[in-house]
Amino acid sequence: AQKITQTQPGMFVQEKEAVTLDCTYDTSDQSYGLFWYKQPSSGEMIFLIYQGSYDEQNATEGRYSLNFQKARKSANLVISASQLGDSAMYFCAMRESSGENTGFQKLVFGTGTRLLVSP
Amino acid sequence: EAQVTQNPRYLITVTGKKLTVTCSQNMNHEYMSWYRQDPGLGLRQIYYSMNVEVTDKGDVPEGYKVSRKEKRNFPLILESPSPNQTSLYFCASSKRGFNQPQHFGDGTRLSIL
Repeated sequence: AQKITQTQPGMFVQEKEAVTLDCTYDTSDQSYGLFWYKQPSSGEMIFLIYQGSYDEQNATEGRYSLNFQKARKSANLVISASQLGDSAMYFCAMRESSGENTGFQKLVFGTGTRLLVSP
Repeated sequence: EAQVTQNPRYLITVTGKKLTVTCSQNMNHEYMSWYRQDPGLGLRQIYYSMNVEVTDKGDVPEGYKVSRKEKRNFPLILESPSPNQTSLYFCASSKRGFNQPQHFGDGTRLSIL
């Protein structure tokens, strides 16, 4: 079963509008971390935002916010006031314990959503 | 400057010829990891290391080896590369902890002919 599901292969948004990128996850752990990364066409991976499983408030970082719904196991990324430079691939990822040894932590990525921002 | 350095950035080689991709970080991070990125599949974890001499398999470890003899280095070894290992590879490091984001290297594009 997919641990991280990003159902939107591609999204289009006009400049200055807001966009939501979906992410659902699957884990039986109580402690885990959720991350969003941006990968522009140049290829580097850029960390955007983090949400912890015990965080009661939704995370925000500038124009990025995370709509965290724990009961639904979703962690959607909201980008407000889109800019042309936001055009990129976006990955949702989860850091959780690996199997029986809770000292080990695996990191699982979704398949990504390609966002295109048009003028 | 805090960074993760991978070498080489690009490599074209032939089936069966052993190769090593080096990864080094200067942030004193305990956690290091290798990923491969393939179209439509996202990033998949190959191996990771929680600290020196402590490594574990990720989701796609077949055909790869790693070692962690020093904290700063985490090389990825392909003993007998095959064409299905043609991919974009990323090394990453972080502190331990669920809230620690990964710092990624710039990637290594491997082509196995």
